[in-house]
Amino acid sequence: QSALTQPASVSGSPGQSITISCTGTSSDVGSYKFVSWYQQYPGKAPKLMIYEGSKRPSGVSNRFSGSKSGNTASLTISGLQAEDEADYYCCSYAGSSTWVFGGGTKVTVL
Amino acid sequence: EVQLVESGGGLVQPGGSLRLSCTASGFTFSGYSMSWVRQAPGKGLEWISYINDGSTNMYYADSVKGRFTISRDDAEDSLLLQMSSLRAEDTAVYYCTRVLRDTIDYWGQGTLVTVSS
Repeated sequence: QSALTQPASVSGSPGQSITISCTGTSSDVGSYKFVSWYQQYPGKAPKLMIYEGSKRPSGVSNRFSGSKSGNTASLTISGLQAEDEADYYCCSYAGSSTWVFGGGTKVTVL
Repeated sequence: EVQLVESGGGLVQPGGSLRLSCTASGFTFSGYSMSWVRQAPGKGLEWISYINDGSTNMYYADSVKGRFTISRDDAEDSLLLQMSSLRAEDTAVYYCTRVLRDTIDYWGQGTLVTVSS
């Protein structure tokens, strides 16, 4: 499987909204609702932020939201805060108990 | 609280073998599917292997197929990854992860495997 396509970096000022795209194919993002997003700080393990495309786990801020259209999923962070500066990865179920990740997006808070 | 703790990483020569372990707590381990995900230094995440609850189905990424073997010991709440014929490109942090309804939800802190002579 080929990795999902994410922008290498996205930046925004505090309080602004940013959106990270994640483009796959009809074999992964386009075929399954199981798209998830992870936040990763340097040297730390990833943390689940969004699952099944748009659902938030308990404890995740409602500033984080997800959506999907066709072969592209998106993560939006609203009211950007300094603590949101991290790497973000999308992930899609790809069938037969396999998964494919995006290359990651570095979010910078200006 | 769900906890996943990996161990067994270290320095190994090309062509060598290594066995990673992951000890789970805070949930009924036997009732969940599990996976391994790795991250090369400065790179992105790569799913590499999956095992279902009951150990009847195991799957591997093409990059490790035939060289890595995933298994589990439900009596010990442990997930295992036997790695052989290791290559420099296998150098990475290896994460133990839990799978819930086709979503990777919890991650361990990772264990570093370095393949170098």
